[in-house]
Amino acid sequence: DGGITQSPKYLFRKEGQNVTLSCEQNLNHDAMYWYRQDPGQGLRLIYYSQIVNDFQKGDIAEGYSVSREKKESFPLTVTSAQKNPTAFYLCASSSGTWETQYFGPGTRLLVL
Amino acid sequence: KQEVTQIPAALSVPEGENLVLNCSFTDSAIYNLQWFRQDPGKGLTSLLLIQSSQREQTSGRLNASLDKSSGRSTLYIAASQPGDSATYLCAVLHNNAGNMLTFGGGTRLMVKP
Repeated sequence: DGGITQSPKYLFRKEGQNVTLSCEQNLNHDAMYWYRQDPGQGLRLIYYSQIVNDFQKGDIAEGYSVSREKKESFPLTVTSAQKNPTAFYLCASSSGTWETQYFGPGTRLLVL
Repeated sequence: KQEVTQIPAALSVPEGENLVLNCSFTDSAIYNLQWFRQDPGKGLTSLLLIQSSQREQTSGRLNASLDKSSGRSTLYIAASQPGDSATYLCAVLHNNAGNMLTFGGGTRLMVKP
């Protein structure tokens, strides 16, 4: 089955803690993306990567970091610098810059 | 900067009704426009993608139109069903921002049996 998986489904973060959200795809897509969705709102781009070992900031990158060491994986770390991390995080991938993006099931991050 | 607006934010209709969801964008220099469906607590499912050179796309009971010059798109849903209840999001891909989809805030649709 080809697709995008995200884990965990729910994640709890304590104050001052860094947490990492996993995103894996087996679609052989070059490009991968991380979005944040707040209640009742659309998606905002955090980071994207067009190719392995390269990534670019989106509109709201502050307080987040990413890596792209493998084509199929694009983990997102929510650092302690992100003061309002509670949101729904969605990962997506596409075969190229201008192609349709396919989305994973999402991870809901909550602060304890 | 591209801004995308969806009206209404929420809509409730009886089953069987035909309905139209609206999406407007401020910069007409778009590469394509996409409509997505999102069920509560889930990811996005792509419904229809319209290239900038196209006027409309159809899939089953769904029809999406695009008027680039006026910065508008509509999603028409025929003979609505309770299973259509979800949030519908439109997103535009700008000519100068190949990786950056700009999303509207969505329309939350409820179809009552």
